[in-house]
Amino acid sequence: DIQMTQSPSSLSASVGDRVTITCRASQDIRNHLGWYQQKPGKAPKRLIYAASSLQSGVPSRFSGSGSGTEFTLTITSLQPEDFASYYCLQYNGDPWTFGQGTKVGIK
Amino acid sequence: EVQLVESGGGLVQPGGSLRLSCAASGFTFSSYWMYWVRQAPGKGLVWVSRIDIDGSSTTYTDSVRGRFTISRDNAKNTLYLQMNSLRAEDTAVYYCARLGGYDGFDHWGQGALVTVSS
Repeated sequence: DIQMTQSPSSLSASVGDRVTITCRASQDIRNHLGWYQQKPGKAPKRLIYAASSLQSGVPSRFSGSGSGTEFTLTITSLQPEDFASYYCLQYNGDPWTFGQGTKVGIK
Repeated sequence: EVQLVESGGGLVQPGGSLRLSCAASGFTFSSYWMYWVRQAPGKGLVWVSRIDIDGSSTTYTDSVRGRFTISRDNAKNTLYLQMNSLRAEDTAVYYCARLGGYDGFDHWGQGALVTVSS
């Protein structure tokens, strides 16, 4: 199975901060990676697909980059509604696997 | 608007069975591969099972293979997960999710909580 190592597992930030979350794949997954946001008690919501494509309706402060084995999700100016957990998902190899998640909390 | 609505969750004893349903609307259900993903309390997301557009191909994660069965009824726009021989470690919120093109899950249901406990 492809292992997805996501870091950090948690972070504290302030409104307006720039936040970066990283996922590393145990093998080359090309650009077959998505990023999801999950708020407590809610279903995940897709933010980014194909490593860098912004899901329709998602604010442009979210961006994704990377290919191969290293990927990044960046939030350029953190907003109050962005405090949530974030997960990466690789869909290059079976079984699809998620990163362990990053909880973004308020500083 | 795409909607996925799970039902059928609840409390079940170890060794028991439960069937989850996921009612789909707002899109042509029969054109999409569908998935079940679960999340244990306070834990991350884990892919459980998937089914192709007509149900002819199914796949399972190792921990549920032989105990869980995914199926679909395209006439009723509904996805199912039959769960047998349930264990405490199957306790989780179960989400149904739609495969969006070739790029992962684009829509998710709100989830159904399954609790396996005596």
